[in-house]
Amino acid sequence: AQSVTQLDSQVPVFEEAPVELRCNYSSSVSVYLFWYVQYPNQGLQLLLKYLSGSTLVKGINGFEAEFNKSQTSFHLRKPSVHISDTAEYFCAVSDALGGTSYGKLTFGQGTILTVHP
Amino acid sequence: DAGVIQSPRHEVTEMGQEVTLRCKPISGHNSLFWYRQTMMRGLELLIYFNNNVPIDDSGMPEDRFSAKMPNASFSTLKIQPSEPRDSAVYFCASSFRGSVTEAFFGQGTRLTVV
Repeated sequence: AQSVTQLDSQVPVFEEAPVELRCNYSSSVSVYLFWYVQYPNQGLQLLLKYLSGSTLVKGINGFEAEFNKSQTSFHLRKPSVHISDTAEYFCAVSDALGGTSYGKLTFGQGTILTVHP
Repeated sequence: DAGVIQSPRHEVTEMGQEVTLRCKPISGHNSLFWYRQTMMRGLELLIYFNNNVPIDDSGMPEDRFSAKMPNASFSTLKIQPSEPRDSAVYFCASSFRGSVTEAFFGQGTRLTVV
């Protein structure tokens, strides 16, 4: 079984400032890691994912995340945020066992990012 | 592709009524997932299908909930009888096991049981 903890429920930030949304996970097996974004009254959209290889992954809209196996973390970062980044962000994991499905996800509780002008 | 299509987008029903939520996955995908989002419990997996067969339904909360996938292009999630605590946003997602390394989500159905 896996669990995901997003350390901040809300993160307010000013436009053009950098932001980091923190995510830690717990799992007895290897995992794949994902960040999804949810805009109001919308479904979830994938920002980025870590499956293997380089621990620094880049996603859409200028976001990036770094996988740290020793700290079991997958923090999301953006060097300069825009008003349009205001949304809720979810960290998620799936197990990396052979034959697994990448859609069988365990989600964190979400972080609401609010970008102020 | 139009993406994952869910209907209806909004549903308001009275306690005790039967509710059916519908999902059309992305064409060619062979895995389908039903998730529920609430303020208290966040996003939780209810059930998932692979090649139209239910693989894991351990997240289905009670016998009042049932899900079917009669063919590769259609799935339903039924609640009978509905209760106010079933009020939530229900998401359907699809993927292709083995080669599609992410899940694609629909817009969700917001269910309100009064």
